[in-house]
Amino acid sequence: ETGVTQTPRHLVMGMTNKKSLKCEQHLGHNAMYWYKQSAKKPLELMFVYNFKEQTENNSVPSRFSPECPNSSHLFLHLHTLQPEDSALYLCASSQGVVSEGTQYFGPGTRLLVL
Amino acid sequence: AQSVSQHNHHVILSEAASLELGCNYSYGGTVNLFWYVQYPGQHLQLLLKYFSGDPLVKGIKGFEAEFIKSKFSFNLRKPSVQWSDTAEYFCAVRIQGAQKLVFGQGTRLTINP
Repeated sequence: ETGVTQTPRHLVMGMTNKKSLKCEQHLGHNAMYWYKQSAKKPLELMFVYNFKEQTENNSVPSRFSPECPNSSHLFLHLHTLQPEDSALYLCASSQGVVSEGTQYFGPGTRLLVL
Repeated sequence: AQSVSQHNHHVILSEAASLELGCNYSYGGTVNLFWYVQYPGQHLQLLLKYFSGDPLVKGIKGFEAEFIKSKFSFNLRKPSVQWSDTAEYFCAVRIQGAQKLVFGQGTRLTINP
């Protein structure tokens, strides 16, 4: 499945850096998601966008700032991160959020915060 | 709060053995249920899903899962595993009509040739 792409695949950043993660879906979906996958923890939903509008923020700290300019693109802007933010960040998309919309995942960006 | 439990964190089997991975969830209403798989170095892929109808669901690569509403369970099964089934398996649940997909912690499956 190559319908959801993410860049970069790996990222190392210092706590004072600002960086952005990019996600693009080629499936014609209208909903996009950011998840965080930490070692030995369940996948955690961070944000949901439906038709470019944010419809869920799962109590994510403000040092993570999402942006969804259109239904095909989703960004996660990072600034002043902490070492505990090191994780795999996954993007997903679906056709609809509350109907039978199965989520399709990208390969993820592995982030290391030093 | 809704939660999903996968009882086995790491399962090790030999090729041709039968597999059953447990998944239980804590929500009394109508749910949609999913199993995802993550092969080494690859992204999460959908194995199978249940929305309604026949509680025995067949997915890709010979996997199946059975929804038992009275037990709040959606266990994954395969009668005969292969070395290529080595991967991490995630159960996920969504309350019908809600946005949020809640994942279990995952089960790492290692198949010895």
